[in-house]
Amino acid sequence: EAGVVQSPRYKIIEKKQPVAFWCNPISGHNTLYWYRQNLGQGPELLIRYENEEAVDDSQLPKDRFSAERLKGVDSTLKIQPAELGDSAVYLCASSPVWRANTGELFFGEGSRLTVL
Amino acid sequence: AQSVTQPDIHITVSEGASLELRCNYSYGATPYLFWYVQSPGQGLQLLLKYFSGDTLVQGIKGFEAEFKRSQSSFNLRKPSVHWSDAAEYFCAVGAKEYGNKLVFGAGTILRVKS
Repeated sequence: EAGVVQSPRYKIIEKKQPVAFWCNPISGHNTLYWYRQNLGQGPELLIRYENEEAVDDSQLPKDRFSAERLKGVDSTLKIQPAELGDSAVYLCASSPVWRANTGELFFGEGSRLTVL
Repeated sequence: AQSVTQPDIHITVSEGASLELRCNYSYGATPYLFWYVQSPGQGLQLLLKYFSGDTLVQGIKGFEAEFKRSQSSFNLRKPSVHWSDAAEYFCAVGAKEYGNKLVFGAGTILRVKS
């Protein structure tokens, strides 16, 4: 079974530029998460989807971050414009709906963003 | 507010020695508890989980953890560490009362010396 796939793995941009990250969850997983992991810290939830619906986006900085999950499968996280403080690893995770209620997640390898 | 504390940022153990990584949480609810491991350049992988029942849980790669409600702790243990266990370990807590949102600790980096 293929795992959660993310791209790109690494991205270096200058501040004020836009950037987008893509995630393909495990087949059949209805729940999809985007986490941000700053250096030396644990992951922090940005947004959670149940199918196409964003059910928890309270931690997403909506002035510059946006996300979508069209058709309830793949998802894209966008930052526009990027700031220096956005340098982090962006992790995508998925879970079958019957496991989502107990928090067990399957993570991708992450997309490391460096903003210069 | 709910929080998770991993008091040790770094731990170094000798190969073959025993290991204990500490995790304390602050939750006003009955928690679900997890340990994840992250190798360099890799995503997080679930080691073990506690939902209810037996407070000593077994996980993959020979790891175990014990839930102690009175101490609000969920420490990870392994009797004999292998060099391949070198990685970063994250404790995470969730609760139905908080929408099952996982809160992660800051992680403990394990170094194994030969």
